[in-house]
Amino acid sequence: SQKIEQNSEALNIQEGKTATLTCNYTNYSPAYLQWYRQDPGRGPVFLLLIRENEKEKRKERLKVTFDTTLKQSLFHITASQPADSATYLCARGYSTLTFGKGTMLLVSP
Amino acid sequence: DTEVTQTPKHLVMGMTNKKSLKCEQHMGHRAMYWYKQKAKKPPELMFVYSYEKLSINESVPSRFSPECPNSSLLNLHLHALQPEDSALYLCASSQATGGTEAFFGQGTRLTVV
Repeated sequence: SQKIEQNSEALNIQEGKTATLTCNYTNYSPAYLQWYRQDPGRGPVFLLLIRENEKEKRKERLKVTFDTTLKQSLFHITASQPADSATYLCARGYSTLTFGKGTMLLVSP
Repeated sequence: DTEVTQTPKHLVMGMTNKKSLKCEQHMGHRAMYWYKQKAKKPPELMFVYSYEKLSINESVPSRFSPECPNSSLLNLHLHALQPEDSALYLCASSQATGGTEAFFGQGTRLTVV
């Protein structure tokens, strides 16, 4: 079956460091992957979309990479801040979105 | 306006009640979605509407009945729910059904008693 996996349930880092979150996919080749942020009790908020022919995409302190050889997308937050603490969801899909389980990021002061 | 508005924010209903969840967007998006999210789980797709027609039903029980009265509105009618249906119900919209980001509402926290 087509799977999208975020293997880290939680990630704790110190303020100012770079957070790196991983999303792996198996048994298919997605045309693109999306990353969302979700705060407790609220809907997901779109962050970045990367297509399979794009190696890297940036938006302010955020960077996402797409490695079709490793079947993996990495999501980076540079100069992390406590306000970046949230759950980050990777998603695949064309007409629908299938989400990974998410990684809860905690940035400590 | 880049908002998807969902009402109500919270809903408590008995197992014999009939209620409706509402969703509205004014971004001109032609695809609208209902997702269900249980605690500590990712959102799971329930229904997809494309150009006001139901295009995907992910084998959702008939006690959930979606409706798309027009391109800006999406409803989810609830009847005879079970306690295990308690969850956060999320509405989303996108320009099209593929290759574009989705905009999510804040959700309706539903509790079935």
